[in-house]
Amino acid sequence: QQPVQSPQAVILREGEDAVINCSSSKALYSVHWYRQKHGEAPVFLMILLKGGEQKGHDKISASFNEKKQQSSLYLTASQLSYSGTYFCGTVPTLWGGTSYGKLTFGQGTILTVHP
Amino acid sequence: DAGITQSPRHKVTETGTPVTLRCHQTENHRYMYWYRQDPGHGLRLIHYSYGVKDTDKGEVSDGYSVSRSKTEDFLLTLESATSSQTSVYFCAITGTHYPYEQYFGPGTRLTVT
Repeated sequence: QQPVQSPQAVILREGEDAVINCSSSKALYSVHWYRQKHGEAPVFLMILLKGGEQKGHDKISASFNEKKQQSSLYLTASQLSYSGTYFCGTVPTLWGGTSYGKLTFGQGTILTVHP
Repeated sequence: DAGITQSPRHKVTETGTPVTLRCHQTENHRYMYWYRQDPGHGLRLIHYSYGVKDTDKGEVSDGYSVSRSKTEDFLLTLESATSSQTSVYFCAITGTHYPYEQYFGPGTRLTVT
């Protein structure tokens, strides 16, 4: 079952912050985050593994609440280059603790950053 | 750059014709995947491979078959293309080191008329 992302779309001005949420109905082993610009392939941002680890990538960070099967992506002081569609991908614990295998992606969140 | 290429990049075909898409990687990765991307659905897994001649179905495998006779090539075949298979198809590989993130090829835009 596909994880649910919210919001579906968000519009920001440069320098503003945003949060994108990803929620699953299944127990998760890991959550992946990707960004895709129009006409291009998705690009890997980060993985969060079971254990509640929070990771960061420049001014983009994320958290994973395994008890609630939820992850959030935080974009701080947004830049024009942050514009694109953000996808979360989930790996259930069914896969025996490995993070490779069947990724199930959310429907995406469109982020638009204006000058 | 994970060294993934896809061919063709664009294809227009007629309903009922067979179509084969190719994914080629130069990094000797074991795991390879085929996804389709449609508006409102995100990326959906069609088939994946965990080694030469080892493949398994994803969530939207009906109407598709795959083959992997060499580590570097993963082929996706539409036996008899239908208009519902008009989509953008992405190939992906899994990195060789923990925690095994996925890297995507540039995509193939397929239109079935």
